[in-house]
Amino acid sequence: QITLKESGPTLVKPTQTLTLTCTFSGFSLSTTGVGVGWIRQPPGKALEWIAVIYWDDDKRYSPSLNSRLTITKDTSKNQVVLTMTNMDPVDTATYYCAHRREYSFFDYWGQGTLVTVSS
Amino acid sequence: EIVLTQSPDFQSVTPKEKLTITCRASQYIGTSLHWYQKKPDRSPTLLIKYASQSISGVPSRFSGSGSGTDFTLTIDGLEAEDAAAYYCHQSSSLPWTFGQGTKVEIK
Repeated sequence: QITLKESGPTLVKPTQTLTLTCTFSGFSLSTTGVGVGWIRQPPGKALEWIAVIYWDDDKRYSPSLNSRLTITKDTSKNQVVLTMTNMDPVDTATYYCAHRREYSFFDYWGQGTLVTVSS
Repeated sequence: EIVLTQSPDFQSVTPKEKLTITCRASQYIGTSLHWYQKKPDRSPTLLIKYASQSISGVPSRFSGSGSGTDFTLTIDGLEAEDAAAYYCHQSSSLPWTFGQGTKVEIK
């Protein structure tokens, strides 16, 4: 059974760096073809893909956020960490991590964590 | 960037009705199109992969079709539990994108 869970701060101040951790079970990020991605949803808005990391440490970022993002994995801990620098109120959103299959779709999602950016 | 445009943005329907949601891509994406259901305070769930392939555990009233640039999600025989937002998502080329969503209300 695949499960994922996001953890991190619920409130960050503008200009601060956000660090989110995705802890998963039921699969290994050392298995060929496996990926973990991050997707966010601002209140009342649509889903937005942010970043993904694959089993071979290949990393991809949304161009609009690329300069602010870093994604890493710790295979031994079954964790993926996303850092986003220079947070702004427009970054207020629910952040989800999700299992990416076949380099195509996200088939299992975490419960999401709401991050509010406010002074 | 490939833009996905869904229509309608909102639909109010009665139970047992048939609903079709469309998703149009700004350029050719083959069948690299997937559909998700999103309920308030819940995480998204995958409904359809590769435009028309069903997902284990998803009710058979959900189906998808299309290829190229035009896609549809059909819910045949709506139930109260189908009240949600529905999103299409393309994995053809980076950056991967989602449609703006279609909110479905059950009367």
